[in-house]
Amino acid sequence: DTAVSQTPKYLVTQMGNDKSIKCEQNLGHDTMYWYKQDSKKFLKIMFSYNNKELIINETVPNRFSPKSPDKAHLNLHINSLELGDSAVYFCASSQTRPPADGYTFGSGTRLTVV
Amino acid sequence: AQKVTQAQTEISVVEKEDVTLDCVYETRDTTYYLFWYKQPPSGELVFLIRRNSFDEQNEISGRYSWNFQKSTSSFNFTITASQVVDSAVYFCALSIASGGSYIPTFGRGTSLIVHP
Repeated sequence: DTAVSQTPKYLVTQMGNDKSIKCEQNLGHDTMYWYKQDSKKFLKIMFSYNNKELIINETVPNRFSPKSPDKAHLNLHINSLELGDSAVYFCASSQTRPPADGYTFGSGTRLTVV
Repeated sequence: AQKVTQAQTEISVVEKEDVTLDCVYETRDTTYYLFWYKQPPSGELVFLIRRNSFDEQNEISGRYSWNFQKSTSSFNFTITASQVVDSAVYFCALSIASGGSYIPTFGRGTSLIVHP
């Protein structure tokens, strides 16, 4: 059983399009995250969300929005895609309390904007 | 504000050499959590270890060991007798409480290349 699953694994799209990446976790965790990993491998937090609070990294453009239909899902919607959005996007989850088992990551979605 | 510095961008070793990956962190919180993750060429992020700020015991797991020193704000990672399969990018991360959440901040990673 995959603990944190993301779909799709690869996404190629044109500038200006709107796209979504789905994320689901079956670990019963309280908190989910979205990270962006750029071409230099830098992992940057975009959002953190639990059923009480959405924490947004202020540097994230408002073209990006998280949507959580329930505790096990946190999808990422991106509007008006730009070339600079090309990156690998990772979803992760953890317990809200100090994460004894760390943060569990999905396998990533490689987004290419052409 | 919290910060993690991995000063070594890339390390290249020959198989069976020991190698230490450095991690220095900054935080004003007295309670915090430190992590190491491995990202092999396949791209997934693999959790290796967590250490909390009030537990300075070093840890050994097979060929891996971690040295946590609060006095120098460091959490270094040593691989003994490195193997080609250890080739990966290794990330150190720091997590502090922010409201009810613990959001990890990652260092920029150290790329380890182990040559046969």
